[in-house]
Amino acid sequence: NAGVTQTPKFQVLKTGQSMTLQCAQDMNHNSMYWYRQDPGMGLRLIYYSASEGTTDKGEVPNGYNVSRLNKREFSLRLESAAPSQTSVYFCASTLRGDQPQHFGDGTRLSIL
Amino acid sequence: AQSVTQLDSHVSVSEGTPVLLRCNYSSSYSPSLFWYVQHPNKGLQLLLKYTSAATLVKGINGFEAEFKKSETSFHLTKPSAHMSDAAEYFCVVSDQKGFQKLVFGTGTRLLVSP
Repeated sequence: NAGVTQTPKFQVLKTGQSMTLQCAQDMNHNSMYWYRQDPGMGLRLIYYSASEGTTDKGEVPNGYNVSRLNKREFSLRLESAAPSQTSVYFCASTLRGDQPQHFGDGTRLSIL
Repeated sequence: AQSVTQLDSHVSVSEGTPVLLRCNYSSSYSPSLFWYVQHPNKGLQLLLKYTSAATLVKGINGFEAEFKKSETSFHLTKPSAHMSDAAEYFCVVSDQKGFQKLVFGTGTRLLVSP
């Protein structure tokens, strides 16, 4: 009964380092999303994948790239981390557009 | 464009008293509206959703919300607060016409005192 699984749960990086955040869902959902959560700002959409093989930019895509590896997995990559990318990152998935999204527990990322 | 305004950043109640978390929305089309709850160091959990079937929506843990089109509001209520309700609550809007991209409010932190 895993739902949406995100790895790692915590990470500290130095400015300029790269890293990939992993997300996998076991609910056979079609659509997947990456959000970032900053204090006082709610969640903001970084990228999304409406279906396997497609990805699109959300509200705050700069500095990020994504890969929809297969139907289950959707990764988020920071090529050259910056302190402004310090945040909590959430992955979510949904079966179709009229259904609620299911969220992972988040990755807490600090960039020094 | 859609938007959501949560009118209170913090709400404090005593255990056993009613809870009211306020949300106003703006949407060009018939919206889907959601309330999510986030406990510390956890992801978001769906409390309830409105998708035009009924204006009064009942959710989990005794929460409910009423969709009022004339007031563009979707306030969350609970008759009697429990200590375990202490968390952050997000009001969310989605455009039913298009692909489901959610727009989140900035959140309301609910504090429950004994």
